[in-house]
Amino acid sequence: AQTVTQSQPEMSVQEAETVTLSCTYDTSENNYYLFWYKQPPSRQMILVIRQEAYKQQNATENRFSVNFQKAAKSFSLKISDSQLGDTAMYFCAFMKPSNTGKLIFGQGTTLQVKP
Amino acid sequence: GAVVSQHPSWVICKSGTSVKIECRSLDFQATTMFWYRQFPKQSLMLMATSNEGSKATYEQGVEKDKFLINHASLTLSTLTVTSAHPEDSSFYICSAVRSPGQGVDEQFFGPGTRLTVL
Repeated sequence: AQTVTQSQPEMSVQEAETVTLSCTYDTSENNYYLFWYKQPPSRQMILVIRQEAYKQQNATENRFSVNFQKAAKSFSLKISDSQLGDTAMYFCAFMKPSNTGKLIFGQGTTLQVKP
Repeated sequence: GAVVSQHPSWVICKSGTSVKIECRSLDFQATTMFWYRQFPKQSLMLMATSNEGSKATYEQGVEKDKFLINHASLTLSTLTVTSAHPEDSSFYICSAVRSPGQGVDEQFFGPGTRLTVL
């Protein structure tokens, strides 16, 4: 069975600085998807970024980028130029393509961006 | 975009009553919808997978007779909490997956429903 681990329950960063959130996962699959979701205080889940395992190139979305290390089963999220609106709980998630969209979530990391 | 709505956003009920939560995909068809439960500062816990036109698949430990799920159309799934008790108080989130042929199997989440049982 697949598992996703986020070992940082809480983190903080100063506005405009860079922060990296860690995620590791365990799977025997070769093809899969990895996601980072953001859940702000409104509690609406928002997709931040997605990575396909077969792609070696790390995904980027504006200020958000990932460091995908397939052999190490590591999938960290880097937020550059942190903004107050980035304050949220961040979840790493794993999905098998054949599993009809079923996600396996990590425990979450609460990020506080300080002014 | 792909929008998922939930209704109601907040509900308070008395112990012993039943509460129905609706999840709708507004601008796409969803063969599969998921129902999650979330406690404060915790992760999303998958309760069940709802497939249009068939019985829901419940995760281990989730009482199917207590949490009734109906997915009667490609745009609507409902979760009914039967004989609710204070321990059922939680934040319930649904998500929908676009049907095959309309895009990748990405989950789109509803805004959630806060249930408080007195």
